[in-house]
Amino acid sequence: AQSVTQLGSHVSVSEGALVLLRCNYSSSVPPYLFWYVQYPNQGLQLLLKYTTGATLVKGINGFEAEFKKSETSFHLTKPSAHMSDAAEYFCAVSDSGGSNYKLTFGKGTLLTVNP
Amino acid sequence: EAQVTQNPRYLITVTGKKLTVTCSQNMNHEYMSWYRQDPGLGLRQIYYSMNVEVTDKGDVPEGYKVSRKEKRNFPLILESPSPNQTSLYFCASMGLSGGSLETQYFGPGTRLLVL
Repeated sequence: AQSVTQLGSHVSVSEGALVLLRCNYSSSVPPYLFWYVQYPNQGLQLLLKYTTGATLVKGINGFEAEFKKSETSFHLTKPSAHMSDAAEYFCAVSDSGGSNYKLTFGKGTLLTVNP
Repeated sequence: EAQVTQNPRYLITVTGKKLTVTCSQNMNHEYMSWYRQDPGLGLRQIYYSMNVEVTDKGDVPEGYKVSRKEKRNFPLILESPSPNQTSLYFCASMGLSGGSLETQYFGPGTRLLVL
């Protein structure tokens, strides 16, 4: 069974500081990996995804993530936080070879950006 | 505009009173899925559908039913709601063209309170 661990349920940074949200996964097959963002009272929006190819993936709003197979990690980063980045972030994994395209989510990390 | 819509967005009901949450997508996607989101647990899959008349259980199907009579619609039915079904529900859809994994698009969510 797949699983996703997000280290830190709450991360707080200052505006302009580096954002680093950690995600580790377990999967018995090559994974597809995703980061979603959820703003208050809204649905989930895809930030970026890794399926195959380049392991450094760039997404929207200046976010990027690097797939490291040896570390089973897919950490999300942004060089400089903006106030508008305050939201909850979810890492998810999907089985690339399965018949159910189920996303297995981590428990989420709430990002707070301080002025 | 490509979108997944859900209705209602908010619902308060009482134990045992049957209810249906509708989900509709305008992207001609084959795959649709329902998730529930609970604090500290992330999102968990309830049911999914690979196409019309093809549905199957996800990780937490107890107490729920679904149907897929039309490609665009995937309603979630709670025959006899109980307080432990109080949650935030998301519908998602995805195209399966060429067998490649594409982005799952999420609806805005339905917040359900069962008294």
